[in-house]
Amino acid sequence: EPEVTQTPSHQVTQMGQEVILRCVPISNHLYFYWYRQILGQKVEFLVSFYNNEISEKSEIFDDQFSVERPDGSNFTLKIRSTKLEDSAMYFCASSGDPGRSTDTQYFGPGTRLTVL
Amino acid sequence: KQEVTQIPAALSVPEGENLVLNCSFTDSAIYNLQWFRQDPGKGLTSLLLIQSSQREQTSGRLNASLDKSSGRSTLYIAASQPGDSATYLCAFSNTGGFKTIFGAGTRLFVKA
Repeated sequence: EPEVTQTPSHQVTQMGQEVILRCVPISNHLYFYWYRQILGQKVEFLVSFYNNEISEKSEIFDDQFSVERPDGSNFTLKIRSTKLEDSAMYFCASSGDPGRSTDTQYFGPGTRLTVL
Repeated sequence: KQEVTQIPAALSVPEGENLVLNCSFTDSAIYNLQWFRQDPGKGLTSLLLIQSSQREQTSGRLNASLDKSSGRSTLYIAASQPGDSATYLCAFSNTGGFKTIFGAGTRLFVKA
């Protein structure tokens, strides 16, 4: 069964450093998402991406964040200058066609980001 | 502000019991509503998705209902098993389905 994969599983970085989190969505999906979950808290929406552009973003997704689909398979989240409060589990998800109002979002296993 | 509230926050039941998890949301113009399962330290697994035009969905021992007018959804789990122990998350997507808002979840423990 197709699945969303994410690398690395755990990333440790120093405050102020740039990090890139990588995701490979399910191959025939068209919509891509990033979420984060701070330990013990809710899953929070960051951004959705369709047709090579951002569809919607939350207030969390400020200028420090960017997303890219550099080729036909990868979807990346970049944090330019990490802060301590960016420490969280970051989940990537993909879905087929929300316009049909039928599509389930499939989540990857997550990347745990630790900022020291 | 769009919000999802889940009640109860935690639930412990003996094996075999039928149970109901509740979810309420603030935006009646939802696009769809999903129930997810999350195991400790793991990702999310979608259990059921209810389209805005639907009232319920069923999968095996799970049944989810949606009442948009009252802003409520329930997840019914029949004949609970220890393997059902996990956190259950309710989430709705806004018009277009581009933004999904999650509740804090109900942590379920099913005792053998």
